[in-house]
Amino acid sequence: DTEVTQTPKHLVMGMTNKKSLKCEQHMGHRAMYWYKQKAKKPPELMFVYSYEKLSINESVPSRFSPECPNSSLLNLHLHALQPEDSALYLCASSQVRGSNSNQPQHFGDGTRLSIL
Amino acid sequence: GEDVEQSLFLSVREGDSSVINCTYTDSSSTYLYWYKQEPGAGLQLLTYIFSNMDMKQDQRLTVLLNKKDKHLSLRIADTQTGDSAIYFCAESRPYSGGGADGLTFGKGTHLIIQP
Repeated sequence: DTEVTQTPKHLVMGMTNKKSLKCEQHMGHRAMYWYKQKAKKPPELMFVYSYEKLSINESVPSRFSPECPNSSLLNLHLHALQPEDSALYLCASSQVRGSNSNQPQHFGDGTRLSIL
Repeated sequence: GEDVEQSLFLSVREGDSSVINCTYTDSSSTYLYWYKQEPGAGLQLLTYIFSNMDMKQDQRLTVLLNKKDKHLSLRIADTQTGDSAIYFCAESRPYSGGGADGLTFGKGTHLIIQP
């Protein structure tokens, strides 16, 4: 069982829809991440939040809009997506570097997104 | 993932040891990780090693790190059918500011178990 929970597990949406992916963790981690994984490819980093502030944006198109409303929650708002955005979207969390704790990233099971 | 290299496939007999290799390029990597991904699932953290360590053992798993050659390996003893999955090597690189490091993954090694 994963300690990072992502909802929904599956999402099908049209190119004009607006939807949101949600991620929740209760491990006290202050760093949270979004990754995108295309079929038969490794995950690729999209966004990093540290202490609820966006610290890394890996040149992701603006149709993806992240939000971190509190230390346990991470959202990814989707608008006007393209068919090539169909992928598995993975959320992860970890301790922040320098917190005197090990910092492995723990992943959720992902949301499988299909754009029609 | 092009800075982290792995073989795409490894086939072993059930009961044998599996050794999955990985090379990375960034000497500033702080942690190196092995994740397991089964079909349709997310990533399961298997083990990780800090860059100042040479070896780490955890039950059936042994990680070896050769920092000079930037080579990481994962040995799975007594490989079972449940070990069949894709294994990703990943490195964390310190980003400036923020204190949270994104991961760069290899392409993944598909471990195939023969009966």
